[in-house]
Amino acid sequence: DGGITQSPKYLFRKEGQNVTLSCEQNLNHDAMYWYRQDPGQGLRLIYYSQIVNDFQKGDIAEGYSVSREKKESFPLTVTSAQKNPTAFYLCASSFQGWEYGYTFGSGTRLTVV
Amino acid sequence: AQSVTQLDSHVSVSEGTPVLLRCNYSSSYSPSLFWYVQHPNKGLQLLLKYTSAATLVKGINGFEAEFKKSETSFHLTKPSAHMSDAAEYFCVVSGPGRRALTFGSGTRLQVQP
Repeated sequence: DGGITQSPKYLFRKEGQNVTLSCEQNLNHDAMYWYRQDPGQGLRLIYYSQIVNDFQKGDIAEGYSVSREKKESFPLTVTSAQKNPTAFYLCASSFQGWEYGYTFGSGTRLTVV
Repeated sequence: AQSVTQLDSHVSVSEGTPVLLRCNYSSSYSPSLFWYVQHPNKGLQLLLKYTSAATLVKGINGFEAEFKKSETSFHLTKPSAHMSDAAEYFCVVSGPGRRALTFGSGTRLQVQP
């Protein structure tokens, strides 16, 4: 079955560490997205990529980095520069075009310890 | 610019009674509009979408929404709530030139037995 897989489901990070969240899709979608979700704030766009080897900053990109070396994969690195990284991170993918909705992964909950 | 406002952060209904979740949007163009549902610690699932066809859109699990251009609204309804409907619901807007979907802040639906 086609879908989008995020791993791990739970992740704990020590202060000053970088961590990488995985996102893989087998839907043949061109575009992929990373969102951050905090209670009461909806979803905020971190980065997005519409084609391989290209990505764009979203609304809250500071302290994050991404790569898009393969169509299927869009990993997100939370760097030590991100001052408040504890959140629920959601990856999504879609076909090109603003009229399409997204398919979401099941999320990664990151906690700083 | 596009934006979406969900008018209620929390809605509580009794099982078997109607559900109404309110959403107003702002868009310079004729938008695409979506409703997503999120169960605790899960990803988001598409309930329904409007893309300039019929103004009354039917979705999964008995939900429907009506696009009203004159009122710039896209309210979500269900005739009879079920306990399994308890979740967070997001109204989402997109349109030409928009790089990614814009999410509302969410409405948490409680269903009382």
